[in-house]
Amino acid sequence: ETGVTQSPTHLIKTRGQQVTLRCSSQSGHNTVSWYQQALGQGPQFIFQYYREEENGRGNFPPRFSGLQFPNYSSELNVNALELDDSALYLCASSLEREIYGYTFGSGTRLTVV
Amino acid sequence: AQSVTQPDIHITVSEGASLELRCNYSYGATPYLFWYVQSPGQGLQLLLKYFSGDTLVQGIKGFEAEFKRSQSSFNLRKPSVHWSDAAEYFCYVGGTSYGKLTFGQGTILTVHP
Repeated sequence: ETGVTQSPTHLIKTRGQQVTLRCSSQSGHNTVSWYQQALGQGPQFIFQYYREEENGRGNFPPRFSGLQFPNYSSELNVNALELDDSALYLCASSLEREIYGYTFGSGTRLTVV
Repeated sequence: AQSVTQPDIHITVSEGASLELRCNYSYGATPYLFWYVQSPGQGLQLLLKYFSGDTLVQGIKGFEAEFKRSQSSFNLRKPSVHWSDAAEYFCYVGGTSYGKLTFGQGTILTVHP
């Protein structure tokens, strides 16, 4: 079975720009969660999508938005980038929300300059 | 408020020594409990999980964890640490909040030869 694939692996953007990060979930998984991990910190929950519907959201502003597609892949969009958005963005998929535990991708390293 | 705490930010052990990483949680119902490991710049890998039943669970790479309801703990153990175990370890408590409970702040493990 394939794991979780994230693209791109690294990205450099300028403050004020917009960015889209992509995630292909593990085969058979219908739930995708996105996390932001700043350097030296634990992952912080951004939001979760379950069967194409947003199923929960952490303490992130509305400029963080997402989508889940019928094949359960997902996108994370961030508008009006700020320097503090520089982080490792992790996508995790699971079967039936988090009950069975997440499978994580290797992440996208976003640097905002 | 629901929370998860990893009291030890950094632990150093010698190769071959035993290891115990602590995790304490606050949660109103029976939680789902997980331990993940993260190598530098990488995503998170699931080590083990507890849903119900036997309170001592076995995971990958020789790790085990014990759920103690009376102490609200889910400590991770390994009888003999290998140099390749050096990484950051995260405890995660999940359940009906579907991802809103975030990870603990992590414990960095350093292994001396």
